[in-house]
Amino acid sequence: GEDVEQSLFLSVREGDSSVINCTYTDSSSTYLYWYKQEPGAGLQLLTYIFSNMDMKQDQRLTVLLNKKDKHLSLRIADTQTGDSAIYFCAERPNYGGSQGNLIFGKGTKLSVKP
Amino acid sequence: DGGITQSPKYLFRKEGQNVTLSCEQNLNHDAMYWYRQDPGQGLRLIYYSQIVNDFQKGDIAEGYSVSREKKESFPLTVTSAQKNPTAFYLCASSIARDLNTEAFFGQGTRLTVV
Repeated sequence: GEDVEQSLFLSVREGDSSVINCTYTDSSSTYLYWYKQEPGAGLQLLTYIFSNMDMKQDQRLTVLLNKKDKHLSLRIADTQTGDSAIYFCAERPNYGGSQGNLIFGKGTKLSVKP
Repeated sequence: DGGITQSPKYLFRKEGQNVTLSCEQNLNHDAMYWYRQDPGQGLRLIYYSQIVNDFQKGDIAEGYSVSREKKESFPLTVTSAQKNPTAFYLCASSIARDLNTEAFFGQGTRLTVV
């Protein structure tokens, strides 16, 4: 079945880079996503990557995709205290019972220490 | 401004009562979703709707019901049959379910059973 795995916690110092990792299982997923959730709020789409790409960069964010290993990572450069949040990896399978639905990981809570 | 609105932000329910959570969007989106979020569990899909007057069960539909009488509205009823309803509920919408379209999330409703 479809499953998305992430580590639950990450702690970094302000100014360092953060790397959040994710593994997914459904190779049919055409797009993979990173969402950010601040405390008590909904989810906000940060970025996404098409499955035929290896890398996508958007300002401080870099997404790396290893399709062979089904591994996705999000790198945040020069991490700021405002980046403290929960980050969710998500896939959207093209086949099977979950076709078309977003499948989320459990989320990685990023804590940024000053 | 276009967006998706959930109300209320906080809701308290006595055991044995049904409660209805509101979700309204003015984005002209066809697809709408309800997710439940528990600490350390990520987001789990309760119900989704691809079009007016149609909806499908997600992974954890038991104890919940929905309706989609209008494109803009997708209310979720948490019934007394839901054994553990205390959670954070998130509503989302997207242009369509099968395309790579961004899912927009509401700010969530925190339901507590007292």
